[in-house]
Amino acid sequence: GAVVSQHPSWVICKSGTSVKIECRSLDFQATTMFWYRQFPKQSLMLMATSNEGSKATYEQGVEKDKFLINHASLTLSTLTVTSAHPEDSSFYICSAPWTSGSPETQYFGPGTRLLVL
Amino acid sequence: AQSVAQPEDQVNVAEGNPLTVKCTYSVSGNPYLFWYVQYPNRGLQFLLKYITGDNLVKGSYGFEAEFNKSQTSFHLKKPSALVSDSALYFCAVRPSFSGGYQKVTFGTGTKLQVIP
Repeated sequence: GAVVSQHPSWVICKSGTSVKIECRSLDFQATTMFWYRQFPKQSLMLMATSNEGSKATYEQGVEKDKFLINHASLTLSTLTVTSAHPEDSSFYICSAPWTSGSPETQYFGPGTRLLVL
Repeated sequence: AQSVAQPEDQVNVAEGNPLTVKCTYSVSGNPYLFWYVQYPNRGLQFLLKYITGDNLVKGSYGFEAEFNKSQTSFHLKKPSALVSDSALYFCAVRPSFSGGYQKVTFGTGTKLQVIP
């Protein structure tokens, strides 16, 4: 199967600072990646679709100026949480569809735990 | 709009007994269905998927799932549970339309607890 990595695995920051999370597809190229947010004991909430070479597509209710997404290459997407506040504390997970075989299957990164103090 | 329902927040089963984690779905047209497992503080791991063909799909770690079109269900099963199967399980669906990536919708998850 395909491998997706995330960095960092966890981060603690002060309120008002910005945090960047990287998502990499290690053994395949991904023109599209997805960013999810997961609250404790809840399902994954799709935040945005990251598109290589173009702007990200945000889901309704997600502030694009707060959650900046950059898909710099076919193997890297970054999510920057700007001016983080305690309510942004969450588990952030990225995924990338691996198109070998039909339909494509999403492969997930290990997640990034963000705690904003 | 497509949706997934996992009616049980938690399923408890004794080690060695068969387990079932339930999932029902709603989608336009034919579905593509997926099961993922999540261990604490980890991302989701792909278990299996249904595309077409045999209604019984076999996946990783001895899991299988049965697609039932009339009941719009895709229940996850395993003949003999292991303590190491204890985790959070997510069912997911997307439509089978071709052309471009189709959005995947996840259920709310079911916590499986296998009791030694």
